[in-house]
Amino acid sequence: AQTVTQSQPEMSVQEAETVTLSCTYDTSESDYYLFWYKQPPSRQMILVIRQEAYKQQNATENRFSVNFQKAAKSFSLKISDSQLGDAAMYFCAYRSASGNEKLTFGTGTRLTIIP
Amino acid sequence: KAGVTQTPRYLIKTRGQQVTLSCSPISGHRSVSWYQQTPGQGLQFLFEYFSETQRNKGNFPGRFSGRQFSNSRSEMNVSTLELGDSALYLCASSLSRTGHSTDTQYFGPGTRLTVL
Repeated sequence: AQTVTQSQPEMSVQEAETVTLSCTYDTSESDYYLFWYKQPPSRQMILVIRQEAYKQQNATENRFSVNFQKAAKSFSLKISDSQLGDAAMYFCAYRSASGNEKLTFGTGTRLTIIP
Repeated sequence: KAGVTQTPRYLIKTRGQQVTLSCSPISGHRSVSWYQQTPGQGLQFLFEYFSETQRNKGNFPGRFSGRQFSNSRSEMNVSTLELGDSALYLCASSLSRTGHSTDTQYFGPGTRLTVL
């Protein structure tokens, strides 16, 4: 079974600064997908960024980028130029490429933005 | 396009009762997945339905069941409610096209179930 670990329950960052959230995972599969989801206090889960394991290039979406280290099974999220609206719970998630939609989530990191 | 909708948004039940939660996916989406979110256990996968068939199931007791209708709307049912079933229940929908494994899952706002 796959597991996802987020070792930072809480993080804080000054507005406009950069912060990195950590995620490691364990799997015996070679083909899979990794995601970062954001859950603001309103509770609506939103996809931030995704990475296909077969792609060596790290995914980037505007201020959000990942550092994907397949051999180390590490998938960190970097948020640049942090904004107040970035405050939320961030979940790392794993999905097998086997054809179903099951997501395995980490325990989450609560990100606070300091004005 | 309307997003994923879940009804009701809040629900209070007592132990031993049963409850049915509803999820309407984004138009055209064929896959609906359900998750339970609690402070203690985090986000846990319940099951996924695709074209009216259960495609995957998590490690939950048989009291948790679901179904999907021909219009892709899905319901989940919890029978004989226990205090530990209090949680936020999230559903997510996806196009889930063959050969498009990276189709994004879109989540609904959730149903907050409280069991007294």
